[in-house]
Amino acid sequence: ETGVTQTPRHLVMGMTNKKSLKCEQHLGHNAMYWYKQSAKKPLELMFVYSLEERVENNSVPSRFSPECPNSSHLFLHLHTLQPEDSALYLCASSQEVLAGRTGELFFGEGSRLTVL
Amino acid sequence: SQQGEEDPQALSIQEGENATMNCSYKTSINNLQWYRQNSGRGLVHLILIRSNEREKHSGRLRVTLDTSKKSSSLLITASRAADTASYFCATDGETSGSRLTFGEGTQLTVNP
Repeated sequence: ETGVTQTPRHLVMGMTNKKSLKCEQHLGHNAMYWYKQSAKKPLELMFVYSLEERVENNSVPSRFSPECPNSSHLFLHLHTLQPEDSALYLCASSQEVLAGRTGELFFGEGSRLTVL
Repeated sequence: SQQGEEDPQALSIQEGENATMNCSYKTSINNLQWYRQNSGRGLVHLILIRSNEREKHSGRLRVTLDTSKKSSSLLITASRAADTASYFCATDGETSGSRLTFGEGTQLTVNP
């Protein structure tokens, strides 16, 4: 148990569906992240919410939309995804002492997404 | 890109042997971290080494950092079957606002 909980663990959706991934951290951290892990590729940072500032990777398509209502909760809203978006989506949190300085990341177990 | 690259991509050893994995990166860093991932699970932090440190130990793990060569190594001594996992290095760039970026990982298999 890392203190970071992701739901659902598995999700199958059609290309026209709308779904959301949820992440909750119980560690009192001030930064939360979404990473995408595809087979044979490095972990790809999608979005960061750090010290209430949202930082995003400009290469992330608009069909992925993050939401961070407070420092403990993070969502990833999914809309009209493509089959190539099938991957393991990992949420992580950390305590940033300085803006932009990443310390140890605590990961959830991931949400395995399959887009048909 | 400051992305780390692990070497080898896959490593298979017998229980009791030592396992060494290497990581190279391209730009100056603030720190370098190693993570472990069991199949289908989240990543677990193993060790963080700062740019002004050369070696760090944690149990059976030993990490070295050579900033002149922009490389790091992770040594697991007296390996066990339970050490079977993927191991990733991640670099935190020196530039303010840069984010932790991961390599593709080394798949370690420890045979009983």
